[in-house]
Amino acid sequence: SYDLSQPPSVSVSPGQTASIACSGDKLGDEYASWYQQKPGQSPVLVIYEDVKRPSGIPERFSGSNSGNTATLTISGTQAMDEADYYCQAWDTSNVVFGGGTKLTVL
Amino acid sequence: QVQLVQSGAEVKKPGSSAKVSCRASGGAFTTYTISWVRQAPGQGLEWMGGIIPVSGAINYAQRFQGSVTLSADESTSTAYMELNGLTSDDTAVYYCASALKGGPFDSWGQGTLVTVSA
Repeated sequence: SYDLSQPPSVSVSPGQTASIACSGDKLGDEYASWYQQKPGQSPVLVIYEDVKRPSGIPERFSGSNSGNTATLTISGTQAMDEADYYCQAWDTSNVVFGGGTKLTVL
Repeated sequence: QVQLVQSGAEVKKPGSSAKVSCRASGGAFTTYTISWVRQAPGQGLEWMGGIIPVSGAINYAQRFQGSVTLSADESTSTAYMELNGLTSDDTAVYYCASALKGGPFDSWGQGTLVTVSA
């Protein structure tokens, strides 16, 4: 089965840039999506098709995907960005989620 | 963008079944795939399977093959997920999520907590 790997945790200071990586075999050949989940809430799509932001998602969220790694970047991180983040891709007709990364804004 | 509303929390006995519903509104139900995602307490998101209501095509994640049954009723724009042979390991929040085939999940239900306890 296809696996996506993420670091369990990332820490960032307010106003700095946070980067969360998602690794999978030839992931760059597929579209990657990213979801933000805050405690007790449903996941929210923040990046799709590697680099696109849905309406309402702040410009400080951006994405890239090349080779075996997709990356979610949050520029000028704010306290409200503290959450769990999950990458996701399609493997033929199946869906794969990364294990999730807890972003802490210290 | 479709809105998804799920049925309420359930408490079930081990060995029984649970059936969660997901009603769609505000979009063309038949153009979307509806997937089900499980999140055990303190754990990550796990895809269980998905259904394309217009065709009835279903894909199950390998680990849920045989224990989960997905269905959809186009007349009520409602998708269902039935989980059989419940054990305490099935205690989790279950989400439905919609996507165009191969696309991102742009709408999520509010989640349904299923608790399995004797």
